[in-house]
Amino acid sequence: EAGVAQSPRYKIIEKRQSVAFWCNPISGHATLYWYQQILGQGPKLLIQFQNNGVVDDSQLPKDRFSAERLKGVDSTLKIQPAKLEDSAVYLCASSVRDKRYNEQFFGPGTRLTVL
Amino acid sequence: KNEVEQSPQNLTAQEGEFITINCSYSVGISALHWLQQHPGGGIVSLFMLSSGKKKHGRLIATINIQEKHSSLHITASHPRDSAVYICAVIIQGAQKLVFGQGTRLTINP
Repeated sequence: EAGVAQSPRYKIIEKRQSVAFWCNPISGHATLYWYQQILGQGPKLLIQFQNNGVVDDSQLPKDRFSAERLKGVDSTLKIQPAKLEDSAVYLCASSVRDKRYNEQFFGPGTRLTVL
Repeated sequence: KNEVEQSPQNLTAQEGEFITINCSYSVGISALHWLQQHPGGGIVSLFMLSSGKKKHGRLIATINIQEKHSSLHITASHPRDSAVYICAVIIQGAQKLVFGQGTRLTINP
């Protein structure tokens, strides 16, 4: 079974530029998560999708971050414009809907450096 | 105060030593994950448990629901065990994971 795919793996941009990350979850997983992990901290949930609908985006900085999952499969996370403090690893995870214990499967992450 | 606290934050040991990483939480949970993160960034799930104890190879995870505490043990530690170990809990009634800050483990040969 293929895991969660993410691209790119690394990205270096200058502040005020735009960047987009892509995630393809495990086939059949209805729930998709985007996390931001700043160096030395645990992941922080940015947004959670159930199929193509948003379940929780309470910690997404909506003035600069946006995410979509138009067909309920793969997803894109965008930052526009980027700030220095956006430097982090962006992790995508997916899980099977209705599974009581919500085991999440993580992708390899995208490491973003904003200069 | 974070809902999930791990200790220690950093741990350095010699190859072969017995390792213990602790996780305490302050909320009602339905289950707890132990995750491993290598320098490349990807996260691998080691255990998901809601009671008792689980063992996989040299790794053992225990949880005490009454005390709101879990431990991850590594026996006969090896340099390839060097990674960040993260405790994450599933809040009761929600599908959300809340993460600890991680424990950076370094095993020297």
